[in-house]
Amino acid sequence: QSALTQPASVSGSPGQSITISCTGTSSDIGAYNFVSWYQQHPGKAPRLMIYDVSNRPSGVSNRFSASKSGNAASLTISGLQAEDEADYYCCSYTTSATLVFGTGTKVTVL
Amino acid sequence: EVQLVESGGGLVEPGGSLRLSCAASGFSFSGDWMEWVRQAPGKGLVWVSRVNGDGSSTNYADSVKGRFTISRDNAKNTLYLQMNSLRVEDTAVYYCARDRDGLASWGQGTLVTVSS
Repeated sequence: QSALTQPASVSGSPGQSITISCTGTSSDIGAYNFVSWYQQHPGKAPRLMIYDVSNRPSGVSNRFSASKSGNAASLTISGLQAEDEADYYCCSYTTSATLVFGTGTKVTVL
Repeated sequence: EVQLVESGGGLVEPGGSLRLSCAASGFSFSGDWMEWVRQAPGKGLVWVSRVNGDGSSTNYADSVKGRFTISRDNAKNTLYLQMNSLRVEDTAVYYCARDRDGLASWGQGTLVTVSS
């Protein structure tokens, strides 16, 4: 049950696009289309941003998009805004019927 | 409106026990898998355990297997996490989450501190 691998930090200027990668294995990301992404502001509970690889829940801005290829997934934030500054985590269902989170990425808006 | 409210956290000595509760409202509780996720101070999210709608299927992270037990009471719309043989490394904020198209709803978390 090793954590999925994410970059520790990603930054961008307002209006720019950034992409966060999430690397797993054939036992998690590569096995199912059950990858989700969460945003967490300091001191707050996580918030679901993407589910089942690329689906946005109601209320989530269409500036957030995501995809998967093989054992890796990615989250793209376009038109970066100050409010997007937060920690982001990917998550995948696994072949052991468990969940595994990514190591987390701190997004900084310059 | 979906609401999840955790309780039961606190300070406990190593080797001790604690039972967390998560009161759910605003959705059909018995129809959804429920999860426990924890976050140590300054660290990332870590999945802990999950249970299916009727409580008949459970899964655990290796780090808590044999020490923690997840359960639910659908009549009370409440999820539980019984934590035994607690270790210093179990110190974290514990969140419950509703698993419906991703972990769609989260509680505010309850802090568990294991220290002598």
